[in-house]
Amino acid sequence: DAGVIQSPRHEVTEMGQEVTLRCKPISGHDYLFWYRQTMMRGLELLIYFNNNVPIDDSGMPEDRFSAKMPNASFSTLKIQPSEPRDSAVYFCASSEGGFNEQFFGPGTRLTVL
Amino acid sequence: GQQLNQSPQSMFIQEGEDVSMNCTSSSIFNTWLWYKQDPGEGPVLLIALYKAGELTSNGRLTAQFGITRKDSFLNISASIPSDVGIYFCAGQGLNSGNTPLVFGKGTRLSVIA
Repeated sequence: DAGVIQSPRHEVTEMGQEVTLRCKPISGHDYLFWYRQTMMRGLELLIYFNNNVPIDDSGMPEDRFSAKMPNASFSTLKIQPSEPRDSAVYFCASSEGGFNEQFFGPGTRLTVL
Repeated sequence: GQQLNQSPQSMFIQEGEDVSMNCTSSSIFNTWLWYKQDPGEGPVLLIALYKAGELTSNGRLTAQFGITRKDSFLNISASIPSDVGIYFCAGQGLNSGNTPLVFGKGTRLSVIA
């Protein structure tokens, strides 16, 4: 079974540009999580969905960040406009039944110049 | 909020040596998870623990859920070069339901051949 799929793996953009990160969770998983990883702050939960519905977006840093899950097999995280401090690795993870045993994707390394 | 202290931050060991690392919390957790992250990849779940005192093995890896519910340990026996990476602990608090995982900052393991 394929794991969590994320695209792109790397993204380099200029400040002010819109960035869209994509995620395909593991089939059958009903929870989807977006995390951000930096050296300074480690892994931070940004938002999570249950059955395609956003449950808690309190970790989203600013209104520039938004996430959607139009169906059970696809989610996006959008940053508009992007800023250099958004540079980080963004992970998508999915799980079955809750927060336990989350399976992570390979991540998208975002660099905002 | 809840925080996890993971130690050591980094370790350099000779191939063949055993490794021990731990994670402590100021509050009680009802779930402990251990992940490993290779460079450029997402965290991979190694072991999940759900019961105080539980001892679980996965190959050369053994993890224990501390009886106080405030700590967990991960041991790696007879280390090999592919054990190199960052090991994260993650815990879920006692407020049951969908309590977000709290992640430690990681232990960076280097193995010298």
